[in-house]
Amino acid sequence: AQSVTQLDSQVPVFEEAPVELRCNYSSSVSVYLFWYVQYPNQGLQLLLKYLSGSTLVESINGFEAEFNKSQTSFHLRKPSVHISDTAEYFCAVSAFRGKNFNKFYFGSGTKLNVKP
Amino acid sequence: DTAVSQTPKYLVTQMGNDKSIKCEQNLGHDTMYWYKQDSKKFLKIMFSYNNKELIINETVPNRFSPKSPDKAHLNLHINSLELGDSAVYFCASRLLGGELFFGEGSRLTVL
Repeated sequence: AQSVTQLDSQVPVFEEAPVELRCNYSSSVSVYLFWYVQYPNQGLQLLLKYLSGSTLVESINGFEAEFNKSQTSFHLRKPSVHISDTAEYFCAVSAFRGKNFNKFYFGSGTKLNVKP
Repeated sequence: DTAVSQTPKYLVTQMGNDKSIKCEQNLGHDTMYWYKQDSKKFLKIMFSYNNKELIINETVPNRFSPKSPDKAHLNLHINSLELGDSAVYFCASRLLGGELFFGEGSRLTVL
């Protein structure tokens, strides 16, 4: 089976500062990796995904994540955050094949709190 | 046009009652899911259906019974509600090998 670890439950940061949200995964097979964002009282929205190809993936609102196979990580970064980025962020993994192919495993979430 | 829609958004009920949550997706996906999000925001997979066939059942109490009348719909019925069932329940759908698309969630409060 796969598992996901988000080491930071909360990350406070000032507006316009850079931020990194950490995500590590474990899996015995190749995986797809995802970051989702959840704003208060809403569902989860896909932020970005790694399926194959370039290990650096970007979102339309300035976030990026890099797949590092040797370190089994998929950290999320943004060079300059806005107040509107305040939300809960979830890292997720899905097996590329095998009996767990249809399962999505989520990390415990990181609350990003952007202060003015 | 909402891609994954759930009803109702809010349910408040007494212990011991039975309740249902409905989910519909208009994305043409084959696979649908129910997730439970607890008060600490942890997301736990409950069930998944692929084209009306149950493919994932994650040790959920048998008071929870999913039903998929067709591949665009996945409903969740809960019998004999308990305090610990209070949570937000999310429906999601997925195309093979792709990402999950989530509904807005149904917040269940058991008193």
